[in-house]
Amino acid sequence: GAVVSQHPSWVICKSGTSVKIECRSLDFQATTMFWYRQFPKQSLMLMATSNEGSKATYEQGVEKDKFLINHASLTLSTLTVTSAHPEDSSFYICSARDAAGIPYNEQFFGPGTRLTVL
Amino acid sequence: RKEVEQDPGPFNVPEGATVAFNCTYSNSASQSFFWYRQDCRKEPKLLMSVYSSGNEDGRFTAQLNRASQYISLLIRDSKLSDSATYLCVVTYGNKLVFGAGTILRVKS
Repeated sequence: GAVVSQHPSWVICKSGTSVKIECRSLDFQATTMFWYRQFPKQSLMLMATSNEGSKATYEQGVEKDKFLINHASLTLSTLTVTSAHPEDSSFYICSARDAAGIPYNEQFFGPGTRLTVL
Repeated sequence: RKEVEQDPGPFNVPEGATVAFNCTYSNSASQSFFWYRQDCRKEPKLLMSVYSSGNEDGRFTAQLNRASQYISLLIRDSKLSDSATYLCVVTYGNKLVFGAGTILRVKS
């Protein structure tokens, strides 16, 4: 099956620093990747849709200058949380859609990155 | 109103029980429907797609009622390993919209 990896799996950082999270599709090409955030006991909330070679589309209420997304290749998207604050502490999950896959809409999820900002 | 609503539970059931989860969605333009399973501190995993005709996968049966904008999941003969959070998911365009999940705890 399609495999998506994320790195790091967890990170602890000081307030004000920036953190980069990588999302890779290991055995397929992903023209579209999605970034989600999940707070405890809440649902996954879509932050942005990342298309290879173009700017990401951000959901309402998500600051694009704070959550920088780069999707430079068909197998890699990165999310950088800039100037992180304790309220950014959350579980960040990426997913990738196999451009050649059937059904086309199926998304494959990475294992998530748990960010704790002190 | 949330786009996808679920009873958060928890549902505490004994092994072997039958349990049903319900979900409603607000956007009539939603195109595809799924149940995902999420274990604690893990990513969600696709359990099954949901079709209007109803579909069954082993002990799991899913049903969609488009007129009522209602989705259900039935689990028969519950196992301890079924303990997890079950997420109702609908699509709108390219996007997956998740419910907050229903917690199931199966006890021996």
